[in-house]
Amino acid sequence: QVQLVQSAAEVKRPGASVKVSCKASGYTFTSNTISWVRQAPGQGLEWMGWISPYNGNTNYAQNLQGRVTMTTDTSTSTAYMELRSLKSDDTAVYYCARESLYCSGGSCSGNYAFDIWGQGTMVTVSS
Amino acid sequence: QSALTQPASVSGSPRQSITISCSGTSSDVGSDNLVSWYQQHPGKAPKLMIYEGSKRPSGVSNRFSGSKSGNTASLTISGLQAEDEADYYCCSYAGSSSLLFGGGTKLTVL
Repeated sequence: QVQLVQSAAEVKRPGASVKVSCKASGYTFTSNTISWVRQAPGQGLEWMGWISPYNGNTNYAQNLQGRVTMTTDTSTSTAYMELRSLKSDDTAVYYCARESLYCSGGSCSGNYAFDIWGQGTMVTVSS
Repeated sequence: QSALTQPASVSGSPRQSITISCSGTSSDVGSDNLVSWYQQHPGKAPKLMIYEGSKRPSGVSNRFSGSKSGNTASLTISGLQAEDEADYYCCSYAGSSSLLFGGGTKLTVL
């Protein structure tokens, strides 16, 4: 079945970096973009950015520019999100999510909705 | 960019209908029909309930419906059931290939 499986929880010191992985299976990895969404404890969802596994194009949320890097490895169908210079308010559950496709007339494009989500990775930043 | 505006909480009795609003601007919610809605139970990943404003993914109950008027999108749940109790988030395309979520609404089934 179509699924995204994320890496295990991490505990990091302030100023460190974290890299979370998201392994896709059950579909053609390069057909859909992958977004990363985070959720601080007791808070709402925050979109962080997306990457296209097809061509490596990325788009990051303005407030994370310069601190976040998203990459993919098409040989293993895995997406990665690295966040640097961690602060305590980066403590959150990080989700990867697949963008669904809208298909018409033989061609498909993304429709900015997320139909498959990973299980989430808790990242705790604490001294 | 600020989050889209949702009520913090709504409630309803079983079999009743409720509507959750999601207010934005002409640059996001009002710009196109690219609003989606997600249901999230505690400790779980979000689940897509509505996409492109009013379309339901396969497997989602037809008790869930979406609409939009101007800069405000809405999610309506009819025939409320106990399992509908969850947090609900709207999400909209916000231009320049970016996305914006709402602050979330906690639905309580009385």
